Amino acid sequence: GENVEQHPSTLSVQEGDSAVIKCTYSDSASNYFPWYKQELGKRPQLIIDIRSNVGEKKDQRIAVTLNKTAKHFSLHITETQPEDSAVYFCAASNQAGTALIFGKGTTLSVSS
Amino acid sequence: KAGVTQTPRYLIKTRGQQVTLSCSPISGHRSVSWYQQTPGQGLQFLFEYFSETQRNKGNFPGRFSGRQFSNSRSEMNVSTLELGDSALYLCASSLTSPNTGELFFGEGSRLTVL
Repeated sequence: GENVEQHPSTLSVQEGDSAVIKCTYSDSASNYFPWYKQELGKRPQLIIDIRSNVGEKKDQRIAVTLNKTAKHFSLHITETQPEDSAVYFCAASNQAGTALIFGKGTTLSVSS
Repeated sequence: KAGVTQTPRYLIKTRGQQVTLSCSPISGHRSVSWYQQTPGQGLQFLFEYFSETQRNKGNFPGRFSGRQFSNSRSEMNVSTLELGDSALYLCASSLTSPNTGELFFGEGSRLTVL
């Protein structure tokens, strides 16, 4: 089945710096790659997603890139702010689209 | 519109007991997925239901089971509870399948097994 590896597990940056989180997936048939943000004590929420027919997608300070050949995708956050501090999860769908498999998460800490 | 509702929010059980958790998806959503969340293990996929049919199951023992009703509400059951089953159980709904758009999560049911 699908397996998603996520790195790093923790990331500390200074306010204004950039943060990059990387994920690799195993199923070459995966076609949907979302990123979720979970603030402390809250439920995960979608922040950005990308499909396999697109190489890059941006939404203000957040961008995601996808390399299908290498089977990896990354989240880029620019000009980080303290409110970006949270756990970020990447995910990949299985071939049938009936499951989203999540990475183990990255705890991002942004200090001011 | 109302979000995903999970009940109960907190529960304490002892080893060997069983538990049933409930999830009411967003109105109109027909796909319901369940996840187990533990520190360090992230969100582990349990199963996904659509139109009362289990379409996918994660790598969990048979003690974990679920079902979906005709109104899309879903339940999951864990029998013969073990200490390692202590976790936050999250339910998430989507319109038709997890890869067609956003998964909307509930607040979760926090299970403690003593």
